[in-house]
Amino acid sequence: AQSVTQPDIHITVSEGASLELRCNYSYGATPYLFWYVQSPGQGLQLLLKYFSGDTLVQGIKGFEAEFKRSQSSFNLRKPSVHWSDAAEYFCAVGAGNNDMRFGAGTRLTVKP
Amino acid sequence: DAGVIQSPRHEVTEMGQEVTLRCKPISGHNSLFWYRQTMMRGLELLIYFNNNVPIDDSGMPEDRFSAKMPNASFSTLKIQPSEPRDSAVYFCASSLPWAAGGENEQFFGPGTRLTVL
Repeated sequence: AQSVTQPDIHITVSEGASLELRCNYSYGATPYLFWYVQSPGQGLQLLLKYFSGDTLVQGIKGFEAEFKRSQSSFNLRKPSVHWSDAAEYFCAVGAGNNDMRFGAGTRLTVKP
Repeated sequence: DAGVIQSPRHEVTEMGQEVTLRCKPISGHNSLFWYRQTMMRGLELLIYFNNNVPIDDSGMPEDRFSAKMPNASFSTLKIQPSEPRDSAVYFCASSLPWAAGGENEQFFGPGTRLTVL
């Protein structure tokens, strides 16, 4: 079965700084990859997804992610972080059915 | 569209009581998922349904937990009897059928925060 690892439990960045959140997956075939964001007290919202094609994927709120098959990674990036980006971020991998596995999440704190 | 609707948003109950959580998926979505989120264990898939039929309930922690989907627009997750360790946020999510290009994108409800005293 597929699995996801998010190595960083908590990251702190200054407002305006760049951001990269790491995600590594394990799956034998072409994965379906997702990044979700969860604001405090809220459900998860999809930021972006990758199924095929261009390995650099653009999402909402200025986020992007790059699929690197050789590294089994799907890292999330944003060039300039805003205070409103403070939230928990989840990477997820789907296996071509309804079985989707989520990582443990990375909590982002934004310093003023 | 109103999105996935869950009720109640907050539930406080005493150990031993029955708890019922409710979910209304997005219209047209025929896959429905129940998740539990805790600090210790993160986001765990409990069970999911396709076309109202339970497909995988291997994540249901024990027999005290049960889930039903009597029709395409309603599902319940029941805990009987409840225990303090069941305290968590329970999320419902729905998605389009895989064959219809849903491609696993799940839409989450706001969650139900359950506290068992």
